[in-house]
Amino acid sequence: EPEVTQTPSHQVTQMGQEVILRCVPISNHLYFYWYRQILGQKVEFLVSFYNNEISEKSEIFDDQFSVERPDGSNFTLKIRSTKLEDSAMYFCASSEVNQPQHFGDGTRLSIL
Amino acid sequence: QKEVEQNSGPLSVPEGAIASLNCTYSDRGSQSFFWYRQYSGKSPELIMFIYSNGDKEDGRFTAQLNKASQYVSLLIRDSQPSDSATYLCAATSGGSYIPTFGRGTSLIVHP
Repeated sequence: EPEVTQTPSHQVTQMGQEVILRCVPISNHLYFYWYRQILGQKVEFLVSFYNNEISEKSEIFDDQFSVERPDGSNFTLKIRSTKLEDSAMYFCASSEVNQPQHFGDGTRLSIL
Repeated sequence: QKEVEQNSGPLSVPEGAIASLNCTYSDRGSQSFFWYRQYSGKSPELIMFIYSNGDKEDGRFTAQLNKASQYVSLLIRDSQPSDSATYLCAATSGGSYIPTFGRGTSLIVHP
């Protein structure tokens, strides 16, 4: 069964540094998403991406964050000037039109 | 503010019993409802989705939706220890396809 794949599985970064989290969505899916889950808390929506542009974003997704689809397969989330509170699991998801989202295994981001 | 509410649990049931997980939502315009299973430290895994009032069955799982009461539930028949996980309820509304997640209910199935 096709899967959403994410790399790395765990990223440790010093506060203030930039990180790039990578995702390969399921190949025939057109919608891509980033979510985060702080330990013990809800899954929170960050951003959705369709047709090479952001289609929806949450209040969390401020100027610190950006997304990109640099080629035909990858979908990235960049976090600039990381803060301690950015420590969380970051999940990428993808879906077909009007279909449920399928999640990747996540990247655990630890900011020191 | 769209809210999806779940009892955090834990809900403890013996092996072989029916586990009943409940969820309420605040937005009457909510249209699509999802149940995800999340094992500790892992990603959410889609179990069921339901759009229409009534029941939807898939194997040991049954999703129930009551839009008048703004209530959606998940029944797990013949519960197994491997079903022990956190179950996340999610809902979309207002033409958005982005689900709002609840905090999840922890289910423990003991042998």
